[in-house]
Amino acid sequence: GAVVSQHPSRVICKSGTSVKIECRSLDFQATTMFWYRQFPKQSLMLMATSNEGSKATYEQGVEKDKFLINHASLTLSTLTVTSAHPEDSSFYICSARSRGAGANEQYFGPGTRLTVT
Amino acid sequence: GNSVTQMEGPVTLSEEAFLTINCTYTATGYPSLFWYVQYPGEGLQLLLKATKADDKGSNKGFEATYRKETTSFHLEKGSVQVSDSAVYFCALSGSGGSYIPTFGRGTSLIVHP
Repeated sequence: GAVVSQHPSRVICKSGTSVKIECRSLDFQATTMFWYRQFPKQSLMLMATSNEGSKATYEQGVEKDKFLINHASLTLSTLTVTSAHPEDSSFYICSARSRGAGANEQYFGPGTRLTVT
Repeated sequence: GNSVTQMEGPVTLSEEAFLTINCTYTATGYPSLFWYVQYPGEGLQLLLKATKADDKGSNKGFEATYRKETTSFHLEKGSVQVSDSAVYFCALSGSGGSYIPTFGRGTSLIVHP
């Protein structure tokens, strides 16, 4: 149980275009989802926290107009990178916290490798 | 604020060697502690966890004990395999009422045959 999927796993796009990444909790309801960015050989950087049905809370320094997050249902959150540029190339990982989670545990998706050319 | 400090890598070992990856933390209250593993090109997988002092988390031969007196959660394995080569992240959450996790910088483990 507690599986989180991400789609796509890899995406290559041209500079100036927008890319949408989906994060789904497959067998549980996720009241909260998190989006992280990971640079090569570095730790995860939290970008934003999203609660179902409400606006995402962005971490300091993350442009909310560039990284649009939608958490429309208890099983789906999307991250849209708008007007992507090569510096947005990175590994994006989502995680989900289940309703009633007792141990502060999060379940991570497999990640999406974004390359902007 | 909260912080997690891990030993710098890479840690390079021969197969069947003993592994220790040190992790210490700073947090208010009584956080839960986690070890995650990330294989190349993949997301994070929960390896083990401990939710209170003196708890021992274990999985796949890995162990870590929540030591409040030393604020540590060191990861150990008695005999590593080549397949254990990955990056290991120590993390905490649940400190001060927040469930947003704090991650260490990760420690790369390379196991040679």
